[in-house]
Amino acid sequence: GIQVEQSPPDLILQEGANSTLRCNFSDSVNNLQWFHQNPWGQLINLFYIPSGTKQNGRLSATTVATERYSLLYISSSQTTDSGVYFCAFWDYKLSFGAGTTVTVRA
Amino acid sequence: GAVVSQHPSWVICKSGTSVKIECRSLDFQATTMFWYRQFPKQSLMLMATSNEGSKATYEQGVEKDKFLINHASLTLSTLTVTSAHPEDSSFYICSALGTGELFFGEGSRLTVL
Repeated sequence: GIQVEQSPPDLILQEGANSTLRCNFSDSVNNLQWFHQNPWGQLINLFYIPSGTKQNGRLSATTVATERYSLLYISSSQTTDSGVYFCAFWDYKLSFGAGTTVTVRA
Repeated sequence: GAVVSQHPSWVICKSGTSVKIECRSLDFQATTMFWYRQFPKQSLMLMATSNEGSKATYEQGVEKDKFLINHASLTLSTLTVTSAHPEDSSFYICSALGTGELFFGEGSRLTVL
């Protein structure tokens, strides 16, 4: 099956800093999504981004399908951005990467 | 956005008992729902795919007699952990397929004593 690698596994940021999270795929993927899981476990859809670039406030995402990767940008990070960020893709099911744990310190 | 509600959020039970977790899509109909399991500091692992009106499809290694899934209506799927044991303690998350996107419930944290 398709393998997905998320990097970095852990990220510690000072409030206000910018960061980039990455997902690499071993093969072409469909219907890529980014999720944020907050410290209470709730998963929030961030982006549905099979290709191209989207922005939502301080977050933006870019998927380059031909090169099999996707990036999530966090700008001016806030403590509420803490949690785990997952990329996920569809084959016959939604498969998740291992996640990047982000800690934003005040 | 679409809302998926999961209940209960927390449950503590004694070893050997059964626990039922409900997953409801509140503002859309979901012919397909998914059940995931997440251990601490790990990713989500799909347990089974639940289709309304038919038997669930279980992932390899998931015991279908232990994790009973029922999807009796277009807005409700249930997961019953039968004869729970401490190793079943985990975070269980359901999701419902909306219009091309997957929406997640709040999760249910099961602790088996």
